[in-house]
Amino acid sequence: ELQVLESGGGLVQPGGSLRLSCAASGFTFSSYAMSWVRQAPGKGLEWVSSISASGGSTYYADSVKGRYTISRDNSKNTLYLQMNSLTAADTAVYYCAKGFDYGAPGFDSWGQGTLVTVSS
Amino acid sequence: QSVLTQPPSVSGAPGQRVTISCTGSSSNIGAGFDVHWYQQLPKTAPKLLIYGNSNRPSGVPDRFSASKSGTSASLAITGLQAEDEADYYCQSYDSSLSGPWVFGGGTKLTVL
Repeated sequence: ELQVLESGGGLVQPGGSLRLSCAASGFTFSSYAMSWVRQAPGKGLEWVSSISASGGSTYYADSVKGRYTISRDNSKNTLYLQMNSLTAADTAVYYCAKGFDYGAPGFDSWGQGTLVTVSS
Repeated sequence: QSVLTQPPSVSGAPGQRVTISCTGSSSNIGAGFDVHWYQQLPKTAPKLLIYGNSNRPSGVPDRFSASKSGTSASLAITGLQAEDEADYYCQSYDSSLSGPWVFGGGTKLTVL
């Protein structure tokens, strides 16, 4: 069964850092683009970052560019999101999402999310 | 302000049909990029509902359908059921943006 499972969320002070992980199973991880999407409390979905199957191409929303780094370890079937210089505006549930089988930019499977709270 | 525009809310009685619109522009939906729809039930993660403009993943009831025309797309739900009460999001790709994966603002469906 296909599964993506996020971890690493928690409470962090403004200006701090956090690294999220997403463990994938049930599919050939190295064949798919992967993404992070976040949802601030009571708000809609916001795409954060995506990475190609090989890891050679990365993409970021303007709101996180220069502060966040997406990466993947295909040998460990794991996706990462390194988040630095965090502010209250980064408080959200962060979802890991798998790209489509047919290659269109989108998300066909989602994790349950991990909550990141930025507060002093 | 979302790149894709959805109505904040829609409602309908059980058994009725409702539609949710998703309006984009010539750099996203109008440029031919696929539109996908996601359903987010209360307190849960989003789930893919429709992909590639009008295709249902396995397990999604045929009460859910979608279409795309020009710079807009729409999701239709027929035979409305109480369990359909959720937030619905459209998503596409925008060639004019450096961060090109774009979502609509979401539509809250209330089953009366």
